[in-house]
Amino acid sequence: AQSVSQHNHHVILSEAASLELGCNYSYGGTVNLFWYVQYPGQHLQLLLKYFSGDPLVKGIKGFEAEFIKSKFSFNLRKPSVQWSDTAEYFCAVTRNTGGFKTIFGAGTRLFVKA
Amino acid sequence: NAGVMQNPRHLVRRRGQEARLRCSPMKGHSHVYWYRQLPEEGLKFMVYLQKENIIDESGMPKERFSAEFPKEGPSILRIQQVVRGDSAAYFCASSPRGGNEDYGYTFGSGTRLTVV
Repeated sequence: AQSVSQHNHHVILSEAASLELGCNYSYGGTVNLFWYVQYPGQHLQLLLKYFSGDPLVKGIKGFEAEFIKSKFSFNLRKPSVQWSDTAEYFCAVTRNTGGFKTIFGAGTRLFVKA
Repeated sequence: NAGVMQNPRHLVRRRGQEARLRCSPMKGHSHVYWYRQLPEEGLKFMVYLQKENIIDESGMPKERFSAEFPKEGPSILRIQQVVRGDSAAYFCASSPRGGNEDYGYTFGSGTRLTVV
């Protein structure tokens, strides 16, 4: 069965530290990849997405993610985090060959200390 | 241009009652997805609907849960005879189209169901 794994459930960083959140998926076919963010008390918002082309994807608020097909990975990065980045981050995968639903990882809770 | 609207935001039901959760997709979106979020478990897919059709309900429990997306009106997720284990946040998402042209979902604010 298709699955999405996020390696860290909780991450604590100080402001200005660099961030990398891991995401691996199990499906071997062609996929669409997403990162969503959920700020406290709010709904999920799309951070960035990859469908094809340049494997390094730029998103909103200074986030980027790199698709490494050989590693089935789509890690999220930000060079310098801010206190306002405190949120839960979800990696998600959609197959684009017959499957209709998007599968989400369990999420990573990021807490940034001011 | 309203986003995905879910209501109610909070719903409290006693064990054995019915819960009805509503979702109005974004204007122009014809695909609706329901997810359940449990603490430490992320979002679990429940059902994918288009107008008057259930496309994929592989994530729906076999009993007590049902979903519809009528020609007119919002999508409804119905949970009959609720139990404490149904307590969760239920999120609805919509997209302009599904399948090979998935442009990422727009999520609603969710309905937090508490069963007492």
